[in-house]
Amino acid sequence: NAGVTQTPKFRVLKTGQSMTLLCAQDMNHEYMYWYRQDPGMGLRLIHYSVGEGTTAKGEVPDGYNVSRLKKQNFLLGLESAAPSQTSVYFCASSYSNEQFFGPGTRLTVL
Amino acid sequence: KNQVEQSPQSLIILEGKNCTLQCNYTVSPFSNLRWYKQDTGRGPVSLTIMTFSENTKSNGRYTATLDADTKQSSLHITASQLSDSASYICVVSAGTASKLTFGTGTRLQVTL
Repeated sequence: NAGVTQTPKFRVLKTGQSMTLLCAQDMNHEYMYWYRQDPGMGLRLIHYSVGEGTTAKGEVPDGYNVSRLKKQNFLLGLESAAPSQTSVYFCASSYSNEQFFGPGTRLTVL
Repeated sequence: KNQVEQSPQSLIILEGKNCTLQCNYTVSPFSNLRWYKQDTGRGPVSLTIMTFSENTKSNGRYTATLDADTKQSSLHITASQLSDSASYICVVSAGTASKLTFGTGTRLQVTL
């Protein structure tokens, strides 16, 4: 039981490049989330999903897109990366009130 | 605007000592309050979750308290260990998990 896993762990992009972050969970959770964590700020919700095939915007959705084609996977896409998207990205899944977080992806946009 | 404020920002204590971390919130409506531990380079891990009717909850050496009237919570760590060195994040829910407000955390360092 791996819990929540994220791929890749680290990535460096140039401004304007695109990439996809993959989140996978093996706990059969309906709800999944993408957060970003920046120095001096609390985690902020980017997008979330309440089930396969559904997505919804969070607090800071601009510049990101998501897809939930399979229940166990939640993808976060950056179509045209900007330096302001340099951050650590966390995926989480949940049932009831309990959220389980992945190990994070550290993204640097130059 | 919903806010969660934590104090202190950082704290250094000797191994074996106790410490208390504070969390004040202005979140409405209130559903529950959570404390997470985040080791450096890792994702947050849940320590406790308290609803409106609970005023204390323990998880081993970690004890969280909640005063819903004053909108304050504390996390008390007893007999600290080196492995307690981490950031501790207070999170308040306004209903659903998509309505969580995260504090910026208290960075705790336990030294010999």
